Amino acid sequence: QLQLQESGPGLVKPSETLSLSCTVSGGSISSSSYYWGWIRQPPGKGLEWIGNIYYSGSTYYNPSLKSRVTMSVDTSKNHFSLKLSSVTAADTAVYYCARPSGYSSSSWYFDLWGRGTLVTVSS
Amino acid sequence: DIQMTQSPSTLSASVGDRVTITCRASQSISSWLAWYQQKPGKAPNLLIYKASSLESGVPSRFSGSGSGTEFTLTISSLQPDDFATYYCQQYNSYTPLTFGGGTKVEIK
Repeated sequence: QLQLQESGPGLVKPSETLSLSCTVSGGSISSSSYYWGWIRQPPGKGLEWIGNIYYSGSTYYNPSLKSRVTMSVDTSKNHFSLKLSSVTAADTAVYYCARPSGYSSSSWYFDLWGRGTLVTVSS
Repeated sequence: DIQMTQSPSTLSASVGDRVTITCRASQSISSWLAWYQQKPGKAPNLLIYKASSLESGVPSRFSGSGSGTEFTLTISSLQPDDFATYYCQQYNSYTPLTFGGGTKVEIK
């Protein structure tokens, strides 16, 4: 059974870079059928899509975050990663990795989620 | 961006009630809409996709309807396990994918 697990520092200083990884277990990240995504949720607030990445490296980012976001895939480790630069307190959130249901954008609803990891931006 | 507006933001209901949540899109999204349930401290869980298709394993008391700009999620008979926050998400446009603000279903 496919599972996703986020990992990374829970505390990041303002102006620094947030770095998270999502390990895919029970299946291959190189599946031709899926993109892989990141979504975040500030405490007590709603959900915000950050971006999707294909195992080949093709990416789609939220335009509001695009200038600060880099997503990558490491097929040898079966994981994908998120980097968010120049963070502020507004980037404090639970970060989820998730899988869109299919390759096509007409299937970009999320049917598999990690448990999420809280990242706090504070000095 | 396509803005998704949910109403109400909070809903108080009793076990056994029929509950309806509305999601409106700022422009037509055809039927490219999903609904999620989220409980405190947990990741969202997919309930409905393509506006009215029930995800495998989701109880049949959940149903979705609508197309274009107006959509509804209905719980036919509210169960104790259904008290949660519900989100809609459009995937008609991925620049960007967007979610509604959420509807919290509370115990009356």
